[in-house]
Amino acid sequence: QKEVEQDPGPLSVPEGAIVSLNCTYSNSAFQYFMWYRQYSRKGPELLMYTYSSGNKEDGRFTAQVDKSSKYISLFIRDSQPSDSATYLCATGNTGGFKTIFGAGTRLFVKA
Amino acid sequence: ETGVTQTPRHLVMGMTNKKSLKCEQHLGHNAMYWYKQSAKKPLELMFVYNFKEQTENNSVPSRFSPECPNSSHLFLHLHTLQPEDSALYLCASSTLLAGVEDTQYFGPGTRLTVL
Repeated sequence: QKEVEQDPGPLSVPEGAIVSLNCTYSNSAFQYFMWYRQYSRKGPELLMYTYSSGNKEDGRFTAQVDKSSKYISLFIRDSQPSDSATYLCATGNTGGFKTIFGAGTRLFVKA
Repeated sequence: ETGVTQTPRHLVMGMTNKKSLKCEQHLGHNAMYWYKQSAKKPLELMFVYNFKEQTENNSVPSRFSPECPNSSHLFLHLHTLQPEDSALYLCASSTLLAGVEDTQYFGPGTRLTVL
């Protein structure tokens, strides 16, 4: 079993739709959770970071973590064509161990 | 310069060439990473350096040789590569310490093509 599982997609939605991106993880010791966005031919950039269960909102983006089910989500409201990218979830713990990345989900938002 | 920079951004090389990729981080981090990202594949961690010491080598072929002279600079020396080594090579850095979350910051990558 992979430590972080993520559906590679692609996911195609119309402009203005609410997008839901999801990951599951296997290690209950993971403490922090991140979402990265990667545009084509660019490096991943940190989009959101959260350290606990619950929701964290930043503009149109909401990160949600459910530690009991080991499930993390990213919601994008009012999606825009500029949101078209690959979204990678990531997680780890603060024991000095490196972050583990999911495979990434490709998102296309059609105008 | 800010963040993580990588040079060159694009590189085309023959299988007999020797070239080097360079990464520099301006974030005060102590850990640096090399990743390989092939089309439609997840990030593949290649090497990890923490305080200039290599802490991880994920069974990477010896034709890839990393060098970390200090916590701000990381090189990847390439020789006798194969066409299947063509990929985006990403450098990242972070504060990798016990008790601190490992938030990695990536450079723009070097797009490598091996002919």
